[in-house]
Amino acid sequence: QVQLVQSGAEVKKPGASVKVSCKASGYIFTSYGISWVRQAPGQGLEWMGWISADNGNTNYAQKLQGRVMMTTDTSTSTAYMELRSLRSDDTAVYYCARGTYSNDYWGQGTLVTVSS
Amino acid sequence: DIQMTQSPSSLSASVGDRVTITCRASQGISNHLAWFQQKPGKAPKSLIYAASSLQSGVPSKFSGSGSGTDFTLTISSLQPEDFATYYCQQYNSYPRTFGQGTKLEIK
Repeated sequence: QVQLVQSGAEVKKPGASVKVSCKASGYIFTSYGISWVRQAPGQGLEWMGWISADNGNTNYAQKLQGRVMMTTDTSTSTAYMELRSLRSDDTAVYYCARGTYSNDYWGQGTLVTVSS
Repeated sequence: DIQMTQSPSSLSASVGDRVTITCRASQGISNHLAWFQQKPGKAPKSLIYAASSLQSGVPSKFSGSGSGTDFTLTISSLQPEDFATYYCQQYNSYPRTFGQGTKLEIK
């Protein structure tokens, strides 16, 4: 069965970086893109970007350009999302989801807390 | 960016009711629309893609319709497990954008 398993919760100081992993199983990793979505406490869903697991092409939300990097490791079927220069308003649950268009399977979420 | 507007923002209903949630896009998106259900502390769950296609395993009590700019999600015969927050999302163009969510509560 398709599964996306994300890394554990992180606590970071303002200005630091965080790298969240998303390990896929149960399907051919390079056949689907991976999207990243975040959700601040009590808020709605915010699309962060997408990466092709086939060729590494990316598309990032403009507000995160320059701070976010999405990568994949096809040898381990793992996608990564790195966010730099963290601010308090980056505190959120970060989700990976399978798919370039609609997203059918989602990871369990990773809570990233940014606090001094 | 394409703005997605859901209505209502919250909705109270009773077990057994039929409810409809509306999602409007700020420009035409063909049928490139998905609906998700989210329960507190859980990841979103995909319900519908391509505006009206049910994801595998999703009960037929959920149905979607629409094309262009106006879309609806209908849930028939509400059960306790259906009370959650529902989001629409367009995937016609980048950046993908979500509606603000509709919280469905028990009356």
